Amino acid sequence: DAMVIQNPRYQVTQFGKPVTLSCSQTLNHNVMYWYQQKSSQAPKLLFHYYDKDFNNEADTPDNFQSRRPNTSFCFLDIRSPGLGDAAMYLCATSVRAAYEQYFGPGTRLTVT
Amino acid sequence: KQEVTQIPAALSVPEGENLVLNCSFTDSAIYNLQWFRQDPGKGLTSLLLIQSSQREQTSGRLNASLDKSSGRSTLYIAASQPGDSATYLCAPLDYNQGGKLIFGQGTELSVKP
Repeated sequence: DAMVIQNPRYQVTQFGKPVTLSCSQTLNHNVMYWYQQKSSQAPKLLFHYYDKDFNNEADTPDNFQSRRPNTSFCFLDIRSPGLGDAAMYLCATSVRAAYEQYFGPGTRLTVT
Repeated sequence: KQEVTQIPAALSVPEGENLVLNCSFTDSAIYNLQWFRQDPGKGLTSLLLIQSSQREQTSGRLNASLDKSSGRSTLYIAASQPGDSATYLCAPLDYNQGGKLIFGQGTELSVKP
């Protein structure tokens, strides 16, 4: 089945230790999104790629970076995680901008 | 700036009841609106997408309506089951914010057997 896959599902990192979260898709969609969802809050868009074009949200901290080496894969890098970065990170895709978004299962990040 | 409100924040019903979840948004300039389901600790599952030109969309026991001019959407769940227990999120795709999904805080639904 075509789908959005996130690895790992659970990630524990230490305060200040860089961490990378991975998202892959078999839908061949042009757009890939990264959202952060803190406990009991709504998901918040961090950034998205339209093909290779990177679009950062104005309030996304510089600590968060992303890479999209090809259509299928997108990575979220957190350079120096703080305790406040503990959250569920959700990857989503859509065939084009302003089309239906399909979400992966998420990666739960814990910062110790 | 688009703001999305979902009422009620939590709802507990006995199995078999029909129920309505409400979503309101402040800016009617939207491409479409998606309803999602989220189980505890899990990702989002898309339930229904209504295009801005549509008034209604149905999938099984779910029916979503959209009144763009008044900034409202409702999700109707017929004959609720314990397996419907989850948080339901609505998210209009905002035209003025570059096609960004703006999420409400969700309605936490519990269906008791």
